[in-house]
Amino acid sequence: DTEVTQTPKHLVMGMTNKKSLKCEQHMGHRAMYWYKQKAKKPPELMFVYSYEKLSINESVPSRFSPECPNSSLLNLHLHALQPEDSALYLCASSQEGTAYGYTFGSGTRLTVV
Amino acid sequence: AQSVSQHNHHVILSEAASLELGCNYSYGGTVNLFWYVQYPGQHLQLLLKYFSGDPLVKGIKGFEAEFIKSKFSFNLRKPSVQWSDTAEYFCAVAPGGGSYIPTFGRGTSLIVHP
Repeated sequence: DTEVTQTPKHLVMGMTNKKSLKCEQHMGHRAMYWYKQKAKKPPELMFVYSYEKLSINESVPSRFSPECPNSSLLNLHLHALQPEDSALYLCASSQEGTAYGYTFGSGTRLTVV
Repeated sequence: AQSVSQHNHHVILSEAASLELGCNYSYGGTVNLFWYVQYPGQHLQLLLKYFSGDPLVKGIKGFEAEFIKSKFSFNLRKPSVQWSDTAEYFCAVAPGGGSYIPTFGRGTSLIVHP
């Protein structure tokens, strides 16, 4: 089991729907991340939150909207997605400014129909 | 910006064979190096990491990696693979002492036949 919990595990949504992905960690990590991963490809960085502030946005389309309500929670709000947005969305956390590596969540498998 | 190359995209081995997966990076400064594993249908897990000290790093499940600074390499090894090692393996590199955002290699798919 991972110490980063993501819900839901699977999500199917239409192109006009609004949905949210949730991520929670209780390891005291102050950096949290959203990654997108296509099959057999490396994770692609989307957003980085550091001390609950958005520090990196890798030119992600505005139909993806991150939110960090507190130091343990990270949300990704989805609206008007396209079928090509179907992927595994991974949340990760890490200790700030160190080389301990990430702890990844199990991911949300998103299918846009 | 740093880049990471994993030259072996697909590797197929029989159980008990030895494994070496290549990872080379391009970055002139201090680096932190990682290997992650992703078993079928599961999340990425940290296998091992290097950021200072002994360049031979031992990780979980019998894996080890050697940092060779002169070759900009961090190859992953295991003396005897098992069927359960079938997975995707990702090398990642992050600049040391500054940004901690790692760059991932494209991954190597390992299939171990029983």
